[in-house]
Amino acid sequence: EDQVTQSPEALRLQEGESSSLNCSYTVSGLRGLFWYRQDPGKGPEFLFTLYSAGEEKEKERLKATLTKKESFLHITAPKPEDSATYLCAVQVGGSEKLVFGKGTKLTVNP
Amino acid sequence: ETGVTQTPRHLVMGMTNKKSLKCEQHLGHNAMYWYKQSAKKPLELMFVYSLEERVENNSVPSRFSPECPNSSHLFLHLHTLQPEDSALYLCASSQFPRGPREKLFFGSGTQLSVL
Repeated sequence: EDQVTQSPEALRLQEGESSSLNCSYTVSGLRGLFWYRQDPGKGPEFLFTLYSAGEEKEKERLKATLTKKESFLHITAPKPEDSATYLCAVQVGGSEKLVFGKGTKLTVNP
Repeated sequence: ETGVTQTPRHLVMGMTNKKSLKCEQHLGHNAMYWYKQSAKKPLELMFVYSLEERVENNSVPSRFSPECPNSSHLFLHLHTLQPEDSALYLCASSQFPRGPREKLFFGSGTQLSVL
């Protein structure tokens, strides 16, 4: 069964305190791995897509990396406006469906 | 307006009511989706439409009935719902329904409470 597990469930950081979120997956035939950000009361907003092990993408304070079994979302010197729930999703070959994780709720305190 | 717009934002209904959720996308996309987001659970895909044709139905109970009259509009008709159907219902669109490069654009959702 295709599975996506995100950890931790929740993370509290002080402003400027760098950390990483994890997304591990067990799927048959990875086509792509997606990161989304979701603010309270809103729908998810696309951040990155990664396709192959070793690939990295960056956007402002965020950097996503991919290995054969997991992806990390590194947050460097976070600010309070980075507070959100970060969702990971994997696109599975064959059915092309997206399998989402439960998300990591990030809170950055000033 | 731009992006994906969903109405209403909040909905409270009794188990015997009939209501509809509406979604409109202004991105010129060819595919539209309904997702369900419950507390402590991953997003669950409900339906996929490609060029107004339903291409996927993920074992969703018949009390949920989708309708896609054109590539810009999507509805979810609700009837005789159960309290466990209370959740955030998200509409999304993408340029094409399948393929590894397809990112989804989501609306803000309808928060549904079934009493």
